Amino acid sequence: GAGVSQSPSNKVTEKGKDVELRCDPISGHTALYWYRQSLGQGLEFLIYFQGNSAPDKSGLPSDRFSAERTGGSVSTLTIQRTQQEDSAVYLCASSLAPSGGRTDTQYFGPGTRLTVL
Amino acid sequence: RKEVEQDPGPFNVPEGATVAFNCTYSNSASQSFFWYRQDCRKEPKLLMSVYSSGNEDGRFTAQLNRASQYISLLIRDSKLSDSATYLCVVNTGFQKLVFGTGTRLLVSP
Repeated sequence: GAGVSQSPSNKVTEKGKDVELRCDPISGHTALYWYRQSLGQGLEFLIYFQGNSAPDKSGLPSDRFSAERTGGSVSTLTIQRTQQEDSAVYLCASSLAPSGGRTDTQYFGPGTRLTVL
Repeated sequence: RKEVEQDPGPFNVPEGATVAFNCTYSNSASQSFFWYRQDCRKEPKLLMSVYSSGNEDGRFTAQLNRASQYISLLIRDSKLSDSATYLCVVNTGFQKLVFGTGTRLLVSP
């Protein structure tokens, strides 16, 4: 079946511009996660959605970052007034409904490579 | 101190060798543990979950030591296709996965 898809695959933008990154999770997966990975670094958790609500936004680095999810499916991550330090690969993952505090297996999309000039 | 720590490597081994990676985690309340594999410029993919009793999947064996807060991955009979970065991943609770920075493995002919 189809996996997690993300668009665009690459985005080059100028400092100060806003960008929108899109994630389409695996059909039926109610949990959705955003991470970012900077060059040579590990994955950094940004935000988690269960359905359309975000119980954990603790990883968002600043108020320039926001995310929403509609219809329990597609999610968009918006970065306003981009800075050069926002350059990274933004990865989305989805999983079946977690239960009992345990995380079900997360399946990752191919990522969006963001470059801020 | 990082929540999940791994030796970044690289580990350079010949085909057929056995290689082991270690990982330590700081949160004693961590609930579940995984090894993910990430190829260059690709997304991470689940390699295996790690259970308290230890588990094996073909050439791969994972071990967990809760007392020492230590996880290991053993790869036997290394293949060229095993070359990748191996990420130690810990669920600290409430659907939050914390990823190590990864250990790079290079298997040569």
